Amino acid sequence: RKEVEQDPGPFNVPEGATVAFNCTYSNSASQSFFWYRQDCRKEPKLLMSVYSSGNEDGRFTAQLNRASQYISLLIRDSKLSDSATYLCVVNMMAGSNYQLIWGAGTKLIIKP
Amino acid sequence: NAGVTQTPKFQVLKTGQSMTLQCAQDMNHNSMYWYRQDPGMGLRLIYYSASEGTTDKGEVPNGYNVSRLNKREFSLRLESAAPSQTSVYFCASTYHRDRTTFGLREQYFGPGTRLTVT
Repeated sequence: RKEVEQDPGPFNVPEGATVAFNCTYSNSASQSFFWYRQDCRKEPKLLMSVYSSGNEDGRFTAQLNRASQYISLLIRDSKLSDSATYLCVVNMMAGSNYQLIWGAGTKLIIKP
Repeated sequence: NAGVTQTPKFQVLKTGQSMTLQCAQDMNHNSMYWYRQDPGMGLRLIYYSASEGTTDKGEVPNGYNVSRLNKREFSLRLESAAPSQTSVYFCASTYHRDRTTFGLREQYFGPGTRLTVT
């Protein structure tokens, strides 16, 4: 089992719809969780950190489910500009340090 | 602030050639990282530097060397390039307060270097 797994998609979604995708992680001791956004041929950029209580930023909501070891990202009222690949990132112990482990990403395509 | 800068943006090498990828950040971060990204795979850590003067191997260090030149600059060297090293290379930086917070914070990325080895 991969340490961080994501459905690669693509998710093809009409503009204005709501879309959600999950990311599962293998290490129950993980402490930090992030969603990054990566546009085609660009660098990843932080979208949201994911807190235990869940958090919302405008149209975006992130949730953490520690019991089932997954995080989720919900996008409401999707825009054409939301088309991108969404990367899930989880921290895990590597030796005596924490490291961030990256999922391969979920591709989202918003259609007019 | 420029953030994280990388040079070059594109490079084509022949098998066996060497090159150095440069990275610099102006955010006063103490940690810097080199990743590679291949199609269908997550970012994979090549090397990292938790602080000036230290470097450590990541997940895929073979074929690479690094130098933390100072707090701002972290370079990645390919001594003898191979086609398997064709990839997009990203440099990233972050700040961590101490060892207990290492790896727990947002990372800031440079624009990437697209490397092709023929």
